[in-house]
Amino acid sequence: DIVMTQSPDSLAVFLGERATINCKSSQSVLHSSDNRNYLAWFQQKPGQPPKALFSWASTRESGVPDRFSGSGSGTDFTLTISRLQAEDVAVYYCQQYRSGRTFGQGTKVEIK
Amino acid sequence: QVQLVQSGAEVKRPGASVKVSCKTSGYPFTDYYVHWVRQAPGQGLEFMGWIYPKNGDTNYAQKFQGRVTLTRDMSTSTVYMELSSLTPDDTADYYCTRENWYYANWGQGTRVTVSS
Repeated sequence: DIVMTQSPDSLAVFLGERATINCKSSQSVLHSSDNRNYLAWFQQKPGQPPKALFSWASTRESGVPDRFSGSGSGTDFTLTISRLQAEDVAVYYCQQYRSGRTFGQGTKVEIK
Repeated sequence: QVQLVQSGAEVKRPGASVKVSCKTSGYPFTDYYVHWVRQAPGQGLEFMGWIYPKNGDTNYAQKFQGRVTLTRDMSTSTVYMELSSLTPDDTADYYCTRENWYYANWGQGTRVTVSS
């Protein structure tokens, strides 16, 4: 199984400041046949199901604010919130879909 | 629009089984895999298995092999997840998702509580 490891487990950021979440996979999730990274990012708020933010590592879902960005390739990926807003307080998960389905352990984002 | 609507919360005794439904709408039911993911209280997300409604093919995570069964009802575009031999460690929110490589759409979740 591909193991997904996120860092940090939690972070506190001032409103308007940048938040950066890292995700590392134990094997590459880049598929050579199509040169795409099989990685998604999700946001989960309390009492709600996860919501997809990005697919293919950097393809933003419809309606996701552009202060969110996804980047990376191979085994190392990053989710960045450029200017943290109060509504961005949530737990964020990465997930690989290159081989089976595995999630990172989650990163909790709070306001400092 | 795509919707996945799950059945309501359940409370079960240890050793019992639970069957959760996921009624889909807004897309061709037979064209997309439906996956199940669970989340224990305060914990992360865990893949359980999938079903392909077109032919009923299933695949289960090794952890749940022998305890989970996914089925579908083509007449109502509904997928079912049955989990047997429940223990308190199965207390969790259970989600169905429509898979389009990634999990684009999710049900609202069903809380299953296992307690004596």
